[in-house]
Amino acid sequence: QSALTQPASVSGSPGQSITISCTGTSSDVGGYKYVSWYQQHPGKAPKLMIYDVSNRPSGVSNRFSGSKSGNTASLTISGLQAEDEADYYCSSYTSSSSVVFGGGTKLTVL
Amino acid sequence: EVQLVETGGGLIQPGGSLRLSCAASGFTVSSNYMSWVRQAPGKGLEWVSVIYSGGSTYYADSVKGRFTISRDNSKNTLYLQMNILRAEDTAVYYCARREALTGPFDYWGQGTLVTVSS
Repeated sequence: QSALTQPASVSGSPGQSITISCTGTSSDVGGYKYVSWYQQHPGKAPKLMIYDVSNRPSGVSNRFSGSKSGNTASLTISGLQAEDEADYYCSSYTSSSSVVFGGGTKLTVL
Repeated sequence: EVQLVETGGGLIQPGGSLRLSCAASGFTVSSNYMSWVRQAPGKGLEWVSVIYSGGSTYYADSVKGRFTISRDNSKNTLYLQMNILRAEDTAVYYCARREALTGPFDYWGQGTLVTVSS
């Protein structure tokens, strides 16, 4: 199972919006609504930010939103804040009943 | 409060063995889908293994035949027995919970570092 494709880096200024893409295949992202997004600060464990494509766990800011079109899922962060600077990973359930992660995207808040 | 605490990491020579533990609190390990996910230094997340609530186990091709996932229900603890370790197994190993097979990893441990080097 190949890793999902994410851009290596994205950046934005405080207050702006950014979008991170996550491209897979019809055997993972395109075939299921089970896409999740995780935020990871340096030296910390990943934190769930979005699940089932567009749902936010309790306690996650509504500045974070998710969507999917075909084989590509997206995470949008609006009103960028300094504390949003982190690595972001997507993951998807797969047709082999497994899980695959994206390669990760480093978000820089300028 | 849900908590996962991994222990057992360390420096090990190539070809050696190590057992990681993940002590859970605030929920029942055997009622969930428990996984190990690793992260090599400076790299992304890689799913390693899962044990279903029913007891079935599955592995990534990169560790199949060398790693064994298990749990002790009486201790509410998850394990990962790692044998024939290679340099490429060097990583931070996280245990993580899913409530359903298709669910997200909603809780993660803090991770334990395994370094395979001579």
